[in-house]
Amino acid sequence: DAGVIQSPRHEVTEMGQEVTLRCKPISGHNSLFWYRQTMMRGLELLIYFNNNVPIDDSGMPEDRFSAKMPNASFSTLKIQPSEPRDSAVYFCASSPYDGRMNTEAFFGQGTRLTVV
Amino acid sequence: KQEVTQIPAALSVPEGENLVLNCSFTDSAIYNLQWFRQDPGKGLTSLLLIQSSQREQTSGRLNASLDKSSGRSTLYIAASQPGDSATYLCAVPSGGSYIPTFGRGTSLIVHP
Repeated sequence: DAGVIQSPRHEVTEMGQEVTLRCKPISGHNSLFWYRQTMMRGLELLIYFNNNVPIDDSGMPEDRFSAKMPNASFSTLKIQPSEPRDSAVYFCASSPYDGRMNTEAFFGQGTRLTVV
Repeated sequence: KQEVTQIPAALSVPEGENLVLNCSFTDSAIYNLQWFRQDPGKGLTSLLLIQSSQREQTSGRLNASLDKSSGRSTLYIAASQPGDSATYLCAVPSGGSYIPTFGRGTSLIVHP
């Protein structure tokens, strides 16, 4: 498997524009996580899905952020409108959670977002 | 809520030294603990996963231990090399879940 695939790798956008980040999890994994990494706060969980259903979105900072998982092989994280303080690296991760807790998370290469 | 602390925050050592990186967590009712490596500008690479029933896990020059009762894990790197230079992150789920909570990491530089 090619691992968790994220696109784009880099995104530069102007304040107020809509930004969509994409993630393809590892085939067969049924849990998907979106994290944000900044120098100030480190890695923070934004939202996670299990079997395509959002389980906990309490980490989503504002209503400007939304995430979807229309099927088991694709997820998006959207920011609308974007602001300079959204600049960060956004990571997607997946895990083969099967009801047992001893599962390993695998991360994508991240999307570096810069909002100017 | 799980809180994860990693000490030291940064470490600079000459090649060949044996290293110990520390991770502590507040909620000991965990199912597993995972150590990651992150190179600058890159994603996270999983190094070791320790299940709650295990005391340690080994991969090559890396050895990770877990003491749930005291809320601690250590990552031991033997005979460090310049290629080991990276940030090492500890991830621990909150009690009763499998969602990793991350520490701030230890930034390691191994100089020749």
